[in-house]
Amino acid sequence: QSVLTQPPSVSGAPGQRVTISCTGARSNIGAGYDVQWYQKLPGTAPKLLIYTNTNRPSGVPDRFSGSKSGTSASLAITGLQAEDEADYYCQSYDSSLTGVIFGGGTKLAVL
Amino acid sequence: EVQLVESGGGLMQPGGSLRLSCAASGLSVSSNYMTWVRQAPGKGLEWIATLYGGGNTYYAGSVRGRFTISRDNSKNTLYLHMKSLRAEDTAVYYCAREVKLGATAYLDYWGQGSLVTVSS
Repeated sequence: QSVLTQPPSVSGAPGQRVTISCTGARSNIGAGYDVQWYQKLPGTAPKLLIYTNTNRPSGVPDRFSGSKSGTSASLAITGLQAEDEADYYCQSYDSSLTGVIFGGGTKLAVL
Repeated sequence: EVQLVESGGGLMQPGGSLRLSCAASGLSVSSNYMTWVRQAPGKGLEWIATLYGGGNTYYAGSVRGRFTISRDNSKNTLYLHMKSLRAEDTAVYYCAREVKLGATAYLDYWGQGSLVTVSS
């Protein structure tokens, strides 16, 4: 069981907006640790989408945005495209552990 | 351009040992936080181990005492030594550069992954 909780799946039609939630606790997100988001396509390495809650690495479209509040964070994807179909993982850090922590992952289906 | 290239995966019997390598270019493994993450079939991402630039090492409870993270500065290569392998260690193993600053810790560069299968 993952330390961070994500919905197993979300879906949306092309062009629509979807959000993926990531719920933590007072020892991780609620303690002020930043949240990151990764996109994982089958057979490829995870790709950093969002870092320090809201920042996008160079090359990531501005259709992807992140937010954080309290013990939770969210990833929003606007203007859904077929190529966005992938698994998405949130990641943070926990004061009781000694390494990064991940959510269980959310499978995005573009209908 | 940063590249992390992994090698060393394969099919192993339970109880066996294996060493994964992660050859780096474009960054120095000796001056960065370097991390191993794995993904078991049908499962999510799991942090395994981190090696600090200063040499400190940290492990997930699931591998502590069985896995060892190390590096060879002269070869600019990160390693994961695995022993007493179990079926539940079957996974794709990724090496990654970890950025750690204040309240932030994230993985920005990843290797392509190396499959380790533990089965009799």
